[in-house]
Amino acid sequence: NAGVTQTPKFRVLKTGQSMTLLCAQDMNHEYMYWYRQDPGMGLRLIHYSVGEGTTAKGEVPDGYNVSRLKKQNFLLGLESAAPSQTSVYFCASSRMTGRGNQPQHFGDGTRLSIL
Amino acid sequence: LAKTTQPISMDSYEGQEVNITCSHNNIATNDYITWYQQFPSQGPRFIIQGYKTKVTNEVASLFIPADRKSSTLSLPRVSLSDTAVYYCLVAGDTGGFKTIFGAGTRLFVKA
Repeated sequence: NAGVTQTPKFRVLKTGQSMTLLCAQDMNHEYMYWYRQDPGMGLRLIHYSVGEGTTAKGEVPDGYNVSRLKKQNFLLGLESAAPSQTSVYFCASSRMTGRGNQPQHFGDGTRLSIL
Repeated sequence: LAKTTQPISMDSYEGQEVNITCSHNNIATNDYITWYQQFPSQGPRFIIQGYKTKVTNEVASLFIPADRKSSTLSLPRVSLSDTAVYYCLVAGDTGGFKTIFGAGTRLFVKA
């Protein structure tokens, strides 16, 4: 019963490097999300996906790209990492229903430091 | 998107009931109110969700007045392990994916 799994859990990058964060969910959820959380702040939505092959921008999409080639996976990419992208990144997933905003299930985060 | 306002922090003692109120004056007809709990170094965890009146589960109760411009999360008899950040979110079918987490309420439970 894994739920939402994020890899890696920790990573240190140098400015300008690229990397991909992987999110996998085993609940057959249609919707998936990527958030970032900075110290003492709430979560901010980066990108989200309402189904395989579709993605959309959230609140803070600049500097990030995403892909959802398989229903269970949602990838977040940083093409050229910047110190301002140092943060904790959370992935979440939720069901699709006809009513309301379905509860999101979160992973335990990826702590990313960019030097 | 409906913006929410919560107290920044609250203190309580073990065994007490804690009520955290969230204001959402611009809530839309299709919006639901959802509360999450977040412990350090973990992702948020769903606590409870409601649309109107009262909802209760094994963890908490959620009270929503008729005008739905606010809601109150009630945690009965808190313990030290309830020390966490609690987030109130308001979202619905339309634009509901762009959920906005505010700074939340930091609850500190003392022995």
